[in-house]
Amino acid sequence: DAGVTQSPTHLIKTRGQHVTLRCSPISGHKSVSWYQQVLGQGPQFIFQYYEKEERGRGNFPDRFSARQFPNYSSELNVNALLLGDSALYLCASSPVSFTDTQYFGPGTRLTVL
Amino acid sequence: GENVEQHPSTLSVQEGDSAVIKCTYSDSASNYFPWYKQELGKRPQLIIDIRSNVGEKKDQRIAVTLNKTAKHFSLHITETQPEDSAVYFCAASNDEIYNQGGKLIFGQGTELSVKP
Repeated sequence: DAGVTQSPTHLIKTRGQHVTLRCSPISGHKSVSWYQQVLGQGPQFIFQYYEKEERGRGNFPDRFSARQFPNYSSELNVNALLLGDSALYLCASSPVSFTDTQYFGPGTRLTVL
Repeated sequence: GENVEQHPSTLSVQEGDSAVIKCTYSDSASNYFPWYKQELGKRPQLIIDIRSNVGEKKDQRIAVTLNKTAKHFSLHITETQPEDSAVYFCAASNDEIYNQGGKLIFGQGTELSVKP
């Protein structure tokens, strides 16, 4: 039984560029959440999507956007990258929007130079 | 705003001893409290969770207690083993608000080291 998968594993970008990160939830899960984890800190909530609809948004600038596809996979987009965007980006899936048992993927390590 | 404070930031114990990590949350409407274990370079893994209608939950060597009045919850690990060494995160959320369901607020993490 496959868990949450994310791609790519690692990514190096320069300031000003944009990036797209991808996530596939556990089979049968309809909700995907995105978190940013800066080294040495706990994950910070960015977005939650359920049935292709945004259900929650954290305190992140409009440079961050996301979407969910009919197969429940999701993309996180970050425009105009800043050095401070360097972090581990985690995707988590849960069966429905209102249950909070979330299962995390391995993350995408983004480095902005 | 919503906040979760976690203590201590580092904890070192001898193998076989118990370890206790404590968290305090600010949003009194929080009703779900998971704990995650994150080994270096790996994903956070859910180890135990508790909902607000329960005061204590146990799973083998791991237990979580919740005091809603004081807005505290704690993780207890008994008979610690070297493989318990990792960073532990507490989190809190309120899944009854339509547009906030699933938003986990994490603590800052506790680095647990179990010495053989």
